[in-house]
Amino acid sequence: EADIYQTPRYLVIGTGKKITLECSQTMGHDKMYWYQQDPGMELHLIHYSYGVNSTEKGDLSSESTVSRIRTEHFPLTLESARPSHTSQYLCASGTGQEAGELFFGEGSRLTVL
Amino acid sequence: GQNIDQPTEMTATEGAIVQINCTYQTSGFNGLFWYQQHAGEAPTFLSYNVLDGLEEKGRFSSFLSRSKGYSYLLLKELQMKDSASYLCAVMDSNYQLIWGAGTKLIIKP
Repeated sequence: EADIYQTPRYLVIGTGKKITLECSQTMGHDKMYWYQQDPGMELHLIHYSYGVNSTEKGDLSSESTVSRIRTEHFPLTLESARPSHTSQYLCASGTGQEAGELFFGEGSRLTVL
Repeated sequence: GQNIDQPTEMTATEGAIVQINCTYQTSGFNGLFWYQQHAGEAPTFLSYNVLDGLEEKGRFSSFLSRSKGYSYLLLKELQMKDSASYLCAVMDSNYQLIWGAGTKLIIKP
């Protein structure tokens, strides 16, 4: 069973607020990812990390930041939330070069009013 | 550009067999993955193919043809709990996963 946790599970906030979505994993995985997924749509990569102090931007990274100070923790921050950020955010982790077998958290569903 | 194509929705009957196809065009290839995603839940890993041929895992099998850029997921002895979306993903030359939009599988009694 995967040990990867996301908080909050659900969040409703107003436009302009700063929010941080938390993600922690206890499997010691070096690779961690943030994805955005709208209903019936593909996963879009926001940010990823291959280890401590390593972060890279994905396709949808321009309005968010991440940090990787500890192996187990990979928070995602939106500096100023907008209604277009309303979506499901999924955190995942994996290990090894062929890290296509990812373990996903349960997701954070964000609604921006 | 990179592209993964899957049917949007399929319907099958409990106890039957269903095949979900996936075609891809990516910059490089380092493996193809199938994930299952129940409504409102996170994806879970099902299978991995990197060489041509069939990989069998219980009721589920996955096939790959690299020359054709084609894969399928075969589900046998369908159960109601198999109602879910099935996501096809390809790992490209940069070891990044490119995801399809998923196929919603509806199982009828």
